[in-house]
Amino acid sequence: LAKTTQPISMDSYEGQEVNITCSHNNIATNDYITWYQQFPSQGPRFIIQGYKTKVTNEVASLFIPADRKSSTLSLPRVSLSDTAVYYCLVGSGTDNFNKFYFGSGTKLNVKP
Amino acid sequence: DAMVIQNPRYQVTQFGKPVTLSCSQTLNHNVMYWYQQKSSQAPKLLFHYYDKDFNNEADTPDNFQSRRPNTSFCFLDIRSPGLGDAAMYLCATSRDMGATDTQYFGPGTRLTVL
Repeated sequence: LAKTTQPISMDSYEGQEVNITCSHNNIATNDYITWYQQFPSQGPRFIIQGYKTKVTNEVASLFIPADRKSSTLSLPRVSLSDTAVYYCLVGSGTDNFNKFYFGSGTKLNVKP
Repeated sequence: DAMVIQNPRYQVTQFGKPVTLSCSQTLNHNVMYWYQQKSSQAPKLLFHYYDKDFNNEADTPDNFQSRRPNTSFCFLDIRSPGLGDAAMYLCATSRDMGATDTQYFGPGTRLTVL
């Protein structure tokens, strides 16, 4: 089971870029790295997923170094509405039977 | 537009009184999951259904059961709720269980046990 480690919390200000790093030292060859966002009293929401190098979508970027033992979620120009908990997940199981276990997550607090 | 629907959003039950939470999906996904999330903690996987096949997590108490009568619906039954079962219960679905299959979560049901 690939365990993930993230900072418990981070503070930022509106308009800044935020980078949240997750370590997953025993990631398996077939594992993908997935990030979810969760607002209070809501279910988690998929943000981005990647396997290696860099992935970018309309919400965030994901940077994964060659050894894949860590990954960094980058949120450009955050706003107050980005205040949430961000979870880094690495799958566990075979290619066709993959389950995700949530780590502790990073609570991002965006200040005005 | 709701894809994963959970009812009710808030449920109050008494200690020891059975309670059922429901989840429905419009995505026609094969897999449905139930998670328990206690205050300030990460979601914890309780079990999942792949189609009709039930898969229980090793540390899920026997007090928690689930039913999936058809593709669209899945129920979480708590046979004898204790005070420690007060939590948010999240239902999620995924098309399949491959490494890239995204999970779609419902809004959750917050359970209070009196």
